[in-house]
Amino acid sequence: DTAVSQTPKYLVTQMGNDKSIKCEQNLGHDTMYWYKQDSKKFLKIMFSYNNKELIINETVPNRFSPKSPDKAHLNLHINSLELGDSAVYFCASSQGGTGANTEAFFGQGTRLTVV
Amino acid sequence: GENVEQHPSTLSVQEGDSAVIKCTYSDSASNYFPWYKQELGKRPQLIIDIRSNVGEKKDQRIAVTLNKTAKHFSLHITETQPEDSAVYFCAAFGGSYIPTFGRGTSLIVHP
Repeated sequence: DTAVSQTPKYLVTQMGNDKSIKCEQNLGHDTMYWYKQDSKKFLKIMFSYNNKELIINETVPNRFSPKSPDKAHLNLHINSLELGDSAVYFCASSQGGTGANTEAFFGQGTRLTVV
Repeated sequence: GENVEQHPSTLSVQEGDSAVIKCTYSDSASNYFPWYKQELGKRPQLIIDIRSNVGEKKDQRIAVTLNKTAKHFSLHITETQPEDSAVYFCAAFGGSYIPTFGRGTSLIVHP
């Protein structure tokens, strides 16, 4: 069984379109994340959810909106896509919390290409 | 928030040599420090981790050291092999739910 799965793996779309990436984890973790990895490989945190509540939203344009219907899912919606949004997006989860931090498990990544 | 610095950004070694990657962190509340390996086109995967109550941990050819006072931790890989070639990330979990990653080190092991 895949621990953290995200779909689709590849996404090619035109500028201005709206798209979604789905993420699900079957590890029973409380915390889920979205990271953006640019061409220089930097893993930049975008969002973090703990028990369906937003914990952090870094300086991300409001075109990006996370949706967490339950603890096991954290989807990412992107409106009005721009060329600069092209990157690999990773979903991850962990059993987080002060004093109980554990390994973050990553999904396989979604390579988004905006043309 | 937490800030993690990682050096070097690129490391090139000959097969059999040792490789050392260093990271510093800023949040004294950070208590968990994992290291991830990301092969080309793959997801980051944990290779070793250390908690703040331990100074050193070893797993076969890989070891991690932690100096809480100086707020730095290092990854040591001995007897490097070509399959060790990848991007390595350090991370720090602090007083929040957010693992903060270093910018990554591209390790190249030449046969």
